[in-house]
Amino acid sequence: AQKITQTQPGMFVQEKEAVTLDCTYDTSDQSYGLFWYKQPSSGEMIFLIYQGSYDEQNATEGRYSLNFQKARKSANLVISASQLGDSAMYFCAMREWNNDMRFGAGTRLTVKP
Amino acid sequence: GAVVSQHPSWVICKSGTSVKIECRSLDFQATTMFWYRQFPKQSLMLMATSNEGSKATYEQGVEKDKFLINHASLTLSTLTVTSAHPEDSSFYICSPRGYTFGSGTRLTVV
Repeated sequence: AQKITQTQPGMFVQEKEAVTLDCTYDTSDQSYGLFWYKQPSSGEMIFLIYQGSYDEQNATEGRYSLNFQKARKSANLVISASQLGDSAMYFCAMREWNNDMRFGAGTRLTVKP
Repeated sequence: GAVVSQHPSWVICKSGTSVKIECRSLDFQATTMFWYRQFPKQSLMLMATSNEGSKATYEQGVEKDKFLINHASLTLSTLTVTSAHPEDSSFYICSPRGYTFGSGTRLTVV
């Protein structure tokens, strides 16, 4: 069963503006972690941000923040002040306790100058 | 920390030959290794999970005799694609800790 859902196959944003990439998940576990990765054309998976299921505060890492709404099971990524170098695929992922990472289908972000 | 080295970064091989991909954890010991496959324009899909010193567990639909995984040490795991076919062309990526990843190997079978 699909556990991670990213409903936006592609998104466009103007340089210097903010953009939100959506992610919803499904789990019956109480303990889990949510991750966002950036994958440029080179293929490497670049870790961006992590949110634990017990974390009460939304995670932030520089220009990245995670809008965690546990009751709605959503973990949206917000990128502020978009840069041209942010153009890439973005994957939301979830790891349940001691299990492997499961990924969403991804969102291709294009930053327009 | 969590430095992962995956080699080769890309390889082209002839149909019917075998290709070995190495994944090394350089600054930590990895008791578990996850191997993922990513076809063009798709997401990462788990192929198999291996624990050091024991046999790998393969996901449904992944042929264990075709994708041989060796995890003989805490710092090295290998994935061998045997008798490769064009449909095996994909991006293969290892994950020693489940949240850190190697740089990936792009395999093209001609």
